[in-house]
Amino acid sequence: QVQLQESGPGLVKPSETLSLTCTVSGGSISSGGYYWSWIRQHPGKGLEWIGYIYYSGSTYYNPSLRSRLTISLDTSENQFSLKLSSVTAADTAVYYCARVATILTGWDYWGQGTLVTVSS
Amino acid sequence: QSALTQPASVSGSPGQSITISCTGTSSDVGVYNYVSWYQQHPGKAPKLMIYEVSNRPSGVSNRFSGSKSGNTASLTISGLQPEDEADYYCSSYTSSTTHVFGGGTKLTVL
Repeated sequence: QVQLQESGPGLVKPSETLSLTCTVSGGSISSGGYYWSWIRQHPGKGLEWIGYIYYSGSTYYNPSLRSRLTISLDTSENQFSLKLSSVTAADTAVYYCARVATILTGWDYWGQGTLVTVSS
Repeated sequence: QSALTQPASVSGSPGQSITISCTGTSSDVGVYNYVSWYQQHPGKAPKLMIYEVSNRPSGVSNRFSGSKSGNTASLTISGLQPEDEADYYCSSYTSSTTHVFGGGTKLTVL
């Protein structure tokens, strides 16, 4: 059973960089066949696709976030990470990591989500 | 990229059927069958209910079904049960090699 778990600071100051890590257990992110994704949900709002990464290192980003966004892999730790720079209050959200097959059969495994608040 | 359009809310009584629509464009829903649906209970992560327009993952009740016509996808829940009360989101792949979600629909079981 694949499990994903987000970790990182719950509070980030405006203009700083938001950094989150997703630890995957029950499967290897190096085995291929899946995109390892970040999705966020603003308080009381809908879901927003942030981007994803393949085990080869190829990344695909939401154009609205691309200039501030980096998604990376750490295969030795079976983790992938999100860095979002120059954050504002508009980046306050619950951040989820999730897995989707490369044949795009939906996000089938999700982390529990972590709330990140941007505030001074 | 604009969000897919879903009704803000729908409701139904136990045992009834409801349908939630998800309208996109010829750059996403209209051209790809990579449409999926998610159920989200308060404070929980979304759960995949339908993928590739009409396929159900293992373990999802056959009361949930999906379809698509043109730029609009639909999720139908038959035999409504109290535990179906939740928020529902659609998602589609797009021609820009990105993904877009709908704004979400709150289902109330009366």
